[in-house]
Amino acid sequence: DVKVTQSSRYLVKRTGEKVFLECVQDMDHENMFWYRQDPGLGLRLIYFSYDVKMKEKGDIPEGYSVSREKKERFSLILESASTNQTSMYLCASSSYRNYGYTFGSGTRLTVV
Amino acid sequence: AQSVAQPEDQVNVAEGNPLTVKCTYSVSGNPYLFWYVQYPNRGLQFLLKYITGDNLVKGSYGFEAEFNKSQTSFHLKKPSALVSDSALYFCAVRVITGTASKLTFGTGTRLQVTL
Repeated sequence: DVKVTQSSRYLVKRTGEKVFLECVQDMDHENMFWYRQDPGLGLRLIYFSYDVKMKEKGDIPEGYSVSREKKERFSLILESASTNQTSMYLCASSSYRNYGYTFGSGTRLTVV
Repeated sequence: AQSVAQPEDQVNVAEGNPLTVKCTYSVSGNPYLFWYVQYPNRGLQFLLKYITGDNLVKGSYGFEAEFNKSQTSFHLKKPSALVSDSALYFCAVRVITGTASKLTFGTGTRLQVTL
């Protein structure tokens, strides 16, 4: 069964901490994405990557950075966590041949 | 800007009745449209997609969607709802920026099916 795995289901971090969210896919997909999901706002794209070491800003990149050193792994970094970054974070991947996404189960991050 | 809109925050339907979850799109060119479902505390699962061809698309779990170009709509339907269909549903459209392809999602519609 193909998978996108997010390393944590729930995280609680303190304001100002550096936070790493990890995502790994086993489908050899070229594209990987980070979204955040908030009630009433749907999914908003933070960053995406269409190749190793390549990254592009999405709609809400402020306060975030990403790293893609290997094809299967895409990390989201909160440089200095703030309470307004409390949210559900969803990782997804896709291939050039199939436009649909495969999603991970999500990480619910709470910043206190 | 290319986008989709889901005009209803919540849809309520009785089990056994038909259901419709609405989605309209704003896209230049031919749209690639998708429906996803999210169960509590889970990621999104793919239901179906429209790329080209037949306007009626069949997907997982008995769902289907009708592409209507004149009304710029892509409504999700099911002939007979089940309580287990209760979930959050997202419509999405493919957007191409430069060399990359990404999905833009609607705000979601919560479907509540009751006995």
